[in-house]
Amino acid sequence: QQQVKQSPQSLIVQKGGISIINCAYENTAFDYFPWYQQFPGKGPALLIAIRPDVSEKKEGRFTISFNKSAKQFSLHIMDSQPGDSATYFCAASRASGSRLTFGEGTQLTVNP
Amino acid sequence: DTEVTQTPKHLVMGMTNKKSLKCEQHMGHRAMYWYKQKAKKPPELMFVYSYEKLSINESVPSRFSPECPNSSLLNLHLHALQPEDSALYLCASSRTMNEKLFFGSGTQLSVL
Repeated sequence: QQQVKQSPQSLIVQKGGISIINCAYENTAFDYFPWYQQFPGKGPALLIAIRPDVSEKKEGRFTISFNKSAKQFSLHIMDSQPGDSATYFCAASRASGSRLTFGEGTQLTVNP
Repeated sequence: DTEVTQTPKHLVMGMTNKKSLKCEQHMGHRAMYWYKQKAKKPPELMFVYSYEKLSINESVPSRFSPECPNSSLLNLHLHALQPEDSALYLCASSRTMNEKLFFGSGTQLSVL
């Protein structure tokens, strides 16, 4: 019930293309869904987050789509740039706690 | 200042050594965390301090000993580690336990 499944494990996209990373969760008590971006040698940085009362949240080129009934959420990176090349982790938690359950990560490579 | 500062950035230690990792934040955050991250894996929660009191210990071996001397500082004391403890150790903080996490860049630890 604590798992968050993330796919794909790795993704290669051309510059200007759309990167899509998907996550699915099992625990219906989760109500906070953040995405983290991690560059080599750095700690994860919060990119964007959503709560289940909305189906979509957009910040610049980054959009989270959320499907509560399917227990799925995804990250879309529009106009992908080489500087977006990093590892992306989805996560989920309950509002009452601080234990983030992370997905396994997606290594994104954006080719110039 | 929105940074979580970790020192040292790299540490090599033998299995009989005693060393400490340090973490500092000046954002007024009252929750601080230690995570362990293996290569190509998501971060794993180790400890959480809330208002300088240990709130969560994720069944971490006693060779890892956390300490929170004040609201800005977090230490992780290491003793008699094993080679499998080699990893990136990440510190994070949040305003309170249920809020957005800010990660440091981590200490890359190698145990020989």
